[in-house]
Amino acid sequence: DTAVSQTPKYLVTQMGNDKSIKCEQNLGHDTMYWYKQDSKKFLKIMFSYNNKELIINETVPNRFSPKSPDKAHLNLHINSLELGDSAVYFCASSQERLAGVLNEQFFGPGTRLTVL
Amino acid sequence: AQRVTQPEKLLSVFKGAPVELKCNYSYSGSPELFWYVQYSRQRLQLLLRHISRESIKGFTADLNKGETSFHLKKPFAQEEDSAMYYCALKPDNFNKFYFGSGTKLNVKP
Repeated sequence: DTAVSQTPKYLVTQMGNDKSIKCEQNLGHDTMYWYKQDSKKFLKIMFSYNNKELIINETVPNRFSPKSPDKAHLNLHINSLELGDSAVYFCASSQERLAGVLNEQFFGPGTRLTVL
Repeated sequence: AQRVTQPEKLLSVFKGAPVELKCNYSYSGSPELFWYVQYSRQRLQLLLRHISRESIKGFTADLNKGETSFHLKKPFAQEEDSAMYYCALKPDNFNKFYFGSGTKLNVKP
């Protein structure tokens, strides 16, 4: 009954390849996010989708393209992978605030991407 | 602009010692502040939020609007507290979280 799941957990690939990371949440949340955690453990938001619509797109290369087929899924596709893309990518979800209810983000386990 | 600052990258204390992880923020409205924790090889998880005024695993954090701080404190650190701690801010009008750069807490035996 995992709340936020990501696949794969580990991804090792060569420079120049195209790869995808999948994320699914079964919490019924309407907002999903992608974060990048670099080697120094700095956590930075990349994208946010609300009800399948892109609402946040931080300064991220065009090689990164999120896709949200439905509210429960937010996949991350990366083209022409570069060495600097090596990091841990976290998916998260949250629910827009309901009256009196404070929302929080629930994170997936992370996907460790290594580009050789 | 919103910004969260955690000035310490690494904090090492001995078991039983008090610990304080600093977090300062800059935001002109009324933010919501959170502390998230990431244990070794585990996902980030919410530790506590300022509005709840609760103590989780012995940790507390008080929002000081005058000093724009939300420091995380525990009077007696335990070895199992060793982890990465992230302070996060959510603006009051936008569903986006801003995370600090994280502080690694190392509790030595």
